[in-house]
Amino acid sequence: NAGVTQTPKFRILKIGQSMTLQCTQDMNHNYMYWYRQDPGMGLKLIYYSVGAGITDKGEVPNGYNVSRSTTEDFPLRLELAAPSQTSVYFCASSSDREAKNIQYFGAGTRLSVL
Amino acid sequence: DQQVKQNSPSLSVQEGRISILNCDYTNSMFDYFLWYKKYPAEGPTFLISISSIKDKNEDGRFTVFLNKSAKHLSLHIVPSQPGDSAVYFCAAATVYGGATNKLIFGTGTLLAVQP
Repeated sequence: NAGVTQTPKFRILKIGQSMTLQCTQDMNHNYMYWYRQDPGMGLKLIYYSVGAGITDKGEVPNGYNVSRSTTEDFPLRLELAAPSQTSVYFCASSSDREAKNIQYFGAGTRLSVL
Repeated sequence: DQQVKQNSPSLSVQEGRISILNCDYTNSMFDYFLWYKKYPAEGPTFLISISSIKDKNEDGRFTVFLNKSAKHLSLHIVPSQPGDSAVYFCAAATVYGGATNKLIFGTGTLLAVQP
């Protein structure tokens, strides 16, 4: 019963490096999301997707890119890492066939940019 | 501009007593509200929700109250248990096209239930 799986759990990047945060879900959910949580703050939406091939910006999209080629996977790409991107990143998914707004979250990826 | 506010960063309660977590919002267009619970090193998990057309929703030990005129909602946990110790996030959304994709989260309240 995997749900939403995120890899890696932890990562340290140097300024200017690139990386992809992986997210996969096995619940056949059509909606997927990426959030970041900074210390003492709530979760802020980076990007979301309502289905394969369809993505849209959230509240804080700058510095990130996403793609959604399959229902299951929704990777988040950081092209030029900056210290401001040090955060905990959460991926989530939901289905319009279930009760509205109930998003299921992965365990998170803790990223430090030094 | 914080549209969803949780003004109490932390709350400590004795086991068996009531825990009351509060949340205020500024956007009168929100029509769905949720509470999520988060343990350390885990992702948030859904706890309970309420539509703006209701003023109360109950699920076991958890009850959410909504006061639209005051733009205020609260989560009551009765009786509180040590396993309830976690960070609680309030979230709000508007319904658009039959779904609500953009949750706006508060900053969270750390609840500590003392045995």
